[in-house]
Amino acid sequence: SYELTQSPSVFVSPGQTASITCSGHKLGDKYASWYQQKPGQSPVLVIYQDSKRPSGIPERFSGSNSGNTATLTISGTQAMDEADYYCQAWDSTTAVFGGGTKVTVL
Amino acid sequence: QVQLVQSGAEVKKPGSSVKVSCKASGGTLINYPITWVRQAPGQGLEWMGGIIPIFGTTNYAQRFQGRVTITAGESTTTTYMELSSLTYEDTAIYYCARESSGTGEGWFDPWGQGTLVIVSS
Repeated sequence: SYELTQSPSVFVSPGQTASITCSGHKLGDKYASWYQQKPGQSPVLVIYQDSKRPSGIPERFSGSNSGNTATLTISGTQAMDEADYYCQAWDSTTAVFGGGTKVTVL
Repeated sequence: QVQLVQSGAEVKKPGSSVKVSCKASGGTLINYPITWVRQAPGQGLEWMGGIIPIFGTTNYAQRFQGRVTITAGESTTTTYMELSSLTYEDTAIYYCARESSGTGEGWFDPWGQGTLVIVSS
């Protein structure tokens, strides 16, 4: 079965750039989406179709996808960005999520 | 703007079934697939399957085949996820979400508030 691999944790200082990666076989041939989940809350879509931002998502969130790796970048990270982030893609008719990356702002 | 409102928390015994509902508020789900995702305590997101309400066509994750049934109400504003033969490992928060590309293979937005299902004897 298809797998998406994420690093368990990323640490970033306020105002710096956080990069969260998601790896999967030929992931660049698929569309990747990214979701932010804060404790006790439902996931929120932050990036879809590799690099598109939904309405209401700050410009500091951006995405890219090429080869075997999709990347979510948070520029000028703020304390409110501390959360778990999940990548997601489709393998045929099956949706697959990465294991999640906990972003800590310190 | 569509919001998804799910039914309340459930406590079930091992071996029983649970049925969770997901109702669209502020619109219908008629043209958009609805997907179900669960999250065990302290764990990541796991896709269970989905439905296109207007057609009633379903698509299930292989590991839940035969144990999960996703249906749509006649009004197409409500979908249901029923999970049978519950074990302790099914204790989780169950989310519904709209697949917003309309293709059945897009992104999930918005999400419901989640329904906690506890399996306990």
